[in-house]
Amino acid sequence: AQSVAQPEDQVNVAEGNPLTVKCTYSVSGNPYLFWYVQYPNRGLQFLLKYITGDNLVKGSYGFEAEFNKSQTSFHLKKPSALVSDSALYFCAVSQDSGYSTLTFGKGTMLLVSP
Amino acid sequence: EAGVAQSPRYKIIEKRQSVAFWCNPISGHATLYWYQQILGQGPKLLIQFQNNGVVDDSQLPKDRFSAERLKGVDSTLKIQPAKLEDSAVYLCASSSLAGEGTDTQYFGPGTRLTVL
Repeated sequence: AQSVAQPEDQVNVAEGNPLTVKCTYSVSGNPYLFWYVQYPNRGLQFLLKYITGDNLVKGSYGFEAEFNKSQTSFHLKKPSALVSDSALYFCAVSQDSGYSTLTFGKGTMLLVSP
Repeated sequence: EAGVAQSPRYKIIEKRQSVAFWCNPISGHATLYWYQQILGQGPKLLIQFQNNGVVDDSQLPKDRFSAERLKGVDSTLKIQPAKLEDSAVYLCASSSLAGEGTDTQYFGPGTRLTVL
């Protein structure tokens, strides 16, 4: 079985400050890790993914994520937050076993204050 | 490139009624997914199609939910009869590859269902 934990229901950060949204995972094989963002009344938008290679993955809108195998983590980061980054962020995991389904965390609400 | 289209965007029904949702994936995408997202939770996969065949429907409540993907393009998800606990957002997604773990899934805007 595979699972994702997002330990924070909400993260608050001031505009211009760095942000981190935490994610840890559990899989039996090699993990494939994803971050999605959801704005109100919208579907999920893909931000970035880790498949293999460099542990630091760069994605859309200035976001990046660091894969840490020893800590089974894949935290989402951005050097300087914008008010427009305020949204619901989901971490998801699949694995290298044929038709592997995507399992999502419960989501973390990011609020960036002006 | 047009994204994943879904309709309707909102639906309100009484319990025990039936409802259907429609999804049109990104052109050329072979794999189509239906997810249920209950308020405060992450999306949960209901069913996955590879072209017009079912790959995974292990979490689909088959006594009341059904889905089809005729001709390997559009898909319809039906609930009959609906229960109060079916109130959720139903998301459709598609991916271009063979539905493997590395695929990036692209999501539609979702259908918000309220069962009264």
